[in-house]
Amino acid sequence: NAGVTQTPKFRVLKTGQSMTLLCAQDMNHEYMYWYRQDPGMGLRLIHYSVGEGTTAKGEVPDGYNVSRLKKQNFLLGLESAAPSQTSVYFCASSYNPQETQYFGPGTRLLVL
Amino acid sequence: GQNIDQPTEMTATEGAIVQINCTYQTSGFNGLFWYQQHAGEAPTFLSYNVLDGLEEKGRFSSFLSRSKGYSYLLLKELQMKDSASYLCAVTPLGIKAAGNKLTFGGGTRVLVKP
Repeated sequence: NAGVTQTPKFRVLKTGQSMTLLCAQDMNHEYMYWYRQDPGMGLRLIHYSVGEGTTAKGEVPDGYNVSRLKKQNFLLGLESAAPSQTSVYFCASSYNPQETQYFGPGTRLLVL
Repeated sequence: GQNIDQPTEMTATEGAIVQINCTYQTSGFNGLFWYQQHAGEAPTFLSYNVLDGLEEKGRFSSFLSRSKGYSYLLLKELQMKDSASYLCAVTPLGIKAAGNKLTFGGGTRVLVKP
């Protein structure tokens, strides 16, 4: 049982480049989330999904898109990266709204 | 909206007790989570309070007062490995479609000194 995994672990992008972050969970969870964590700001929700084929905006969705084509995967896309998107990105999943979220190890993204 | 406040940093001595406070103002409230996050790692679950009162789990205890919008995490018999950030997070009331949208506070960095 790998839990929640994220790919890649670290990436450097130039402004304007695009990339996709992959999150995978093997716990059969319905709910999946993408957060970003910046110093002093805590974790902020970017997008989330309540099930396969569904996505919704979180607190800071601008500049990001997501897709949940398979229940176990949740993809976060940056179409045109900006330096303000330099951050650590965490994916999380949960079985239902009343249970804890399990977090992946994070992806460190640096946009130059 | 949601507003969650917790101290930025606390320092304590090994073997001592530290209490991390969290106050929240929310438009709807369901429960409160505490997570631990070591530097460079993912947050991990510590506790979840829905009802008023104290819940104890070994060296860690969490308290909730819904009427006061207040929670605290109590760490007893501090060990060096307890040096980490502690995140308070609130879950809102809502239907299933709203998901479990946790709103996090900024986190409290606890430094345990010998």
